[in-house]
Amino acid sequence: DTEVTQTPKHLVMGMTNKKSLKCEQHMGHRAMYWYKQKAKKPPELMFVYSYEKLSINESVPSRFSPECPNSSLLNLHLHALQPEDSALYLCASSPRGSGGLSYEQYFGPGTRLTVT
Amino acid sequence: LAKTTQPISMDSYEGQEVNITCSHNNIATNDYITWYQQFPSQGPRFIIQGYKTKVTNEVASLFIPADRKSSTLSLPRVSLSDTAVYYCLVVRGFGNEKLTFGTGTRLTIIP
Repeated sequence: DTEVTQTPKHLVMGMTNKKSLKCEQHMGHRAMYWYKQKAKKPPELMFVYSYEKLSINESVPSRFSPECPNSSLLNLHLHALQPEDSALYLCASSPRGSGGLSYEQYFGPGTRLTVT
Repeated sequence: LAKTTQPISMDSYEGQEVNITCSHNNIATNDYITWYQQFPSQGPRFIIQGYKTKVTNEVASLFIPADRKSSTLSLPRVSLSDTAVYYCLVVRGFGNEKLTFGTGTRLTIIP
């Protein structure tokens, strides 16, 4: 299984709502990532988890809260978002041995988020 | 990490070979060059990675000159399904998880 799955595919939420995005992989990868992609722009890294620990937070606002309950699962909790947060949210994973390269990331199809 | 510069867009006819060049003047010794492909409303997909000279896999070739300040992704005999955005990235090896995507090249294949 070489697939990263993301749910839901689409999400519409109001600015006062709380919602979560889910990402799952069963490739035994130990690094997982959240990216945000606006229309016609490249993906921007938000968070990196390595061995279930948060290793990189790219100064993301606290209204985005990541969680990695186990090595296969990654969540992104959303609260009090703004309309400008509307974007495609991509999850990725990569094999990550100690000191090894993680150049090949496997991306999921993304969740299209609209904040109204 | 070295920034990359690519053409914003390219057009090519079906059946032709397409070469997309990327500039990365400030590449460091332990940096690798990586290319991803992205179709609309999908996540990027890894194509190929190299350090120097030439790398070939089943879908593409990557040419990197000795000074490593540029690289060229070569797609042989393109088809309509190769219409996508192609990103060139410089990735630091040995444990750096960060991928910084450049602006990408929008490739359109014309029938």
